[in-house]
Amino acid sequence: GAGVSQSPRYKVTKRGQDVALRCDPISGHVSLYWYRQALGQGPEFLTYFNYEAQQDKSGLPNDRFSAERPEGSISTLTIQRTEQRDSAMYRCASSASQYEQYFGPGTRLTVT
Amino acid sequence: QKEVEQNSGPLSVPEGAIASLNCTYSDRGSQSFFWYRQYSGKSPELIMSIYSNGDKEDGRFTAQLNKASQYVSLLIRDSQPSDSATYLCAVNGRTNAGKSTFGDGTTLTVKP
Repeated sequence: GAGVSQSPRYKVTKRGQDVALRCDPISGHVSLYWYRQALGQGPEFLTYFNYEAQQDKSGLPNDRFSAERPEGSISTLTIQRTEQRDSAMYRCASSASQYEQYFGPGTRLTVT
Repeated sequence: QKEVEQNSGPLSVPEGAIASLNCTYSDRGSQSFFWYRQYSGKSPELIMSIYSNGDKEDGRFTAQLNKASQYVSLLIRDSQPSDSATYLCAVNGRTNAGKSTFGDGTTLTVKP
């Protein structure tokens, strides 16, 4: 079956613009996770959902970052007023069981 | 001290040898442990999960867990050049079972 998909795969934006990153999980997966990964480091937790409920948003760096999953399927990570330090690979993962996670291809965000 | 620690490597082994990758974690109440493989430029891919003390084998891979010592390891037998990748250890805590904390990974190179 289809894996986790993310769009766009690459996004270049100017400082101060808002961006929305989309994640489409594996069909039927209850849990959905957002991570940010810098080169040479492991994924850094941002937030996760069970169904449509945001269970933990402790990893969101500041209030410019938000995420939603309104119907318990597709999720959007929004970054307002982007800054250069937001440049990174943003990864989404989904899980059927809140344990083993399956990652999407990621969105490479570059803020100029 | 990071919550999940791994030697960054690089770890280099000859083809056919056993590669041993180690991970320690700080949360004594952690319940679930995972190993992901990440090829350069790709997304993490789940290869092993382990939940109880002892060994778990899957093909050429063996995960070992020792909760008393707070470490988890991954052994790769008969290492192949295709095993060359970064191996990420991830740990789920007790209080927030759905949240995974990742180490920064160990880079493995298998030389033909």
